[in-house]
Amino acid sequence: EPEVTQTPSHQVTQMGQEVILRCVPISNHLYFYWYRQILGQKVEFLVSFYNNEISEKSEIFDDQFSVERPDGSNFTLKIRSTKLEDSAMYFCASKGGIGPYEQYFGPGTRLTVT
Amino acid sequence: ELKVEQNPLFLSMQEGKNYTIYCNYSTTSDRLYWYRQDPGKSLESLFVLLSNGAVKQEGRLMASLDTKARLSTLHITAAVHDLSATYFCARIQGAQKLVFGQGTRLTINP
Repeated sequence: EPEVTQTPSHQVTQMGQEVILRCVPISNHLYFYWYRQILGQKVEFLVSFYNNEISEKSEIFDDQFSVERPDGSNFTLKIRSTKLEDSAMYFCASKGGIGPYEQYFGPGTRLTVT
Repeated sequence: ELKVEQNPLFLSMQEGKNYTIYCNYSTTSDRLYWYRQDPGKSLESLFVLLSNGAVKQEGRLMASLDTKARLSTLHITAAVHDLSATYFCARIQGAQKLVFGQGTRLTINP
């Protein structure tokens, strides 16, 4: 069964460093998302991406964040200068199309900023 | 702004008992989703409820949607230890984004 994959599973970085989180969405899906979950809290939307551009972003997704689909398979989230409060689980999700399609979540990347 | 609220946030119950998790939301919206999350793991889709009165069942879990009351319920029948997890409801806001409730951490004791 097709699934969303994410790498790395765990990333430790120092404050101020840049990180890139990678996702491979399900191959025929058209819509891509990043969510984050701070430990013990609810899942929060960061950004949605369709047709090679951002379709919606949250207040959390400030200038430090960017997303890219550099080729036909990968979808990346870059944090330019990490802060302690960026420590969280980051989930990538993808969806097949418009309509009542489910968003399928990847296994997540645990980001720890020290 | 859509708000999604779950209660209870923590639930400890004994095996064999029945219980219900409630999910209230603030504005009319399409589709309601229920997800399960095991500790340190991703979100597993359980149910997608598309319209008023929708009811879906899988094993010991049954979800329903009442759009007039802006309420969805997840009912657990004769709980077993394997159902211990955190359960999230979520609704779509706008075209794309999922807005999640706070989650209900369910612990089922033998």
